[in-house]
Amino acid sequence: GEDVEQSLFLSVREGDSSVINCTYTDSSSTYLYWYKQEPGAGLQLLTYIFSNMDMKQDQRLTVLLNKKDKHLSLRIADTQTGDSAIYFCAESITAVGGGSQGNLIFGKGTKLSVKP
Amino acid sequence: DAMVIQNPRYQVTQFGKPVTLSCSQTLNHNVMYWYQQKSSQAPKLLFHYYDKDFNNEADTPDNFQSRRPNTSFCFLDIRSPGLGDAAMYLCATSRMSGDNEQFFGPGTRLTVL
Repeated sequence: GEDVEQSLFLSVREGDSSVINCTYTDSSSTYLYWYKQEPGAGLQLLTYIFSNMDMKQDQRLTVLLNKKDKHLSLRIADTQTGDSAIYFCAESITAVGGGSQGNLIFGKGTKLSVKP
Repeated sequence: DAMVIQNPRYQVTQFGKPVTLSCSQTLNHNVMYWYQQKSSQAPKLLFHYYDKDFNNEADTPDNFQSRRPNTSFCFLDIRSPGLGDAAMYLCATSRMSGDNEQFFGPGTRLTVL
């Protein structure tokens, strides 16, 4: 079955870069996503990458995708205390015949703590 | 602003007492999802509606039901809540096209006494 794995905790100092890693098992995933969840709140989509891309950059966020190793990472440059949250990696399951089936498989989330 | 709204934000119920959680959206998306998220765990999809078509996940207990009376609203009914059903329940919507970006509501935290 499909599975998404993430390390559970990451601690960095304010101003440093954070790198959150994720591995997934479904090689036919069409899209891979990074969501952010602040305490008591819903999930906010940060960015996503299409499976035929290697890298995507969006302001302070850089997503790297290694399809061969089924490894996804999220780099946050100049990490701020406001970035403290839980970050979820998710993959979109491909339907028979192609295209996204709509179901997202989430990892357990990485809790990022930013120390001043 | 277009958004996904969940009511109530916090719900307390008694063991075995039916409870309904509601979700509404102003995005006019054709797909609505219900996820269950227990503490320190990943959100787990319970079911979703593609327009009026209901799609249940194979491992979703029968205790959980859903209704979608129109495009904007979707309800999660828990017929006989058990202690193990205490969790955050997240509603999400998407257009089901292209990138399938899902927009989440703030969630309803359910406590079962």
